[in-house]
Amino acid sequence: GESVGLHLPTLSVQEGDNSIINCAYSNSASDYFIWYKQESGKGPQFIIDIRSNMDKRQGQRVTVLLNKTVKHLSLQIAATQPGDSAVYFCAELPTGKLIFGQGTTLQVKP
Amino acid sequence: DTAVSQTPKYLVTQMGNDKSIKCEQNLGHDTMYWYKQDSKKFLKIMFSYNNKELIINETVPNRFSPKSPDKAHLNLHINSLELGDSAVYFCASRNRGFDYGYTFGSGTRLTVV
Repeated sequence: GESVGLHLPTLSVQEGDNSIINCAYSNSASDYFIWYKQESGKGPQFIIDIRSNMDKRQGQRVTVLLNKTVKHLSLQIAATQPGDSAVYFCAELPTGKLIFGQGTTLQVKP
Repeated sequence: DTAVSQTPKYLVTQMGNDKSIKCEQNLGHDTMYWYKQDSKKFLKIMFSYNNKELIINETVPNRFSPKSPDKAHLNLHINSLELGDSAVYFCASRNRGFDYGYTFGSGTRLTVV
């Protein structure tokens, strides 16, 4: 079946460093991917998305990279701040339903 | 001005009871969803309604019954609650055809004791 997975359950970084969160997906037909951020006690919030006709997309302090050959995407957060502490999910959208990965907890050390 | 609001935020109840969770969105979206998040933070879709019509029904026990009185509301009724139903339930909405526009509520933490 379809699955979207993340390589590490927890990532701990120093404030000011860059963070890289990885995700692997299994459905090669997926053509749209989204990264979500979930803070404690809140619902997932959209961060950035990318379509399969792109390899890279940049937002404010965030970059998503897509490697379709190995079915892998990553989220890079530049100059990580304490407010970035959250659980991050990658998600794919085949056939009209959003499928989430397991989630990576990002901990930012002061 | 909450875009997707769920009530209640917390719900503690005994096994065997019947309970409902309500969801309302004021974004004018035509599609609404229920997701379940387990203790390991895994988010899984349960149901989806488009303009009051059920369009996605994942493998969910029939003790769970969604109801959409209009396109701005999607409620979730759960009969005969079991311990394994304990989770955080999220409502979401979007306009069908716009992939990126998923907006989530802040969740309802259901604890069955």
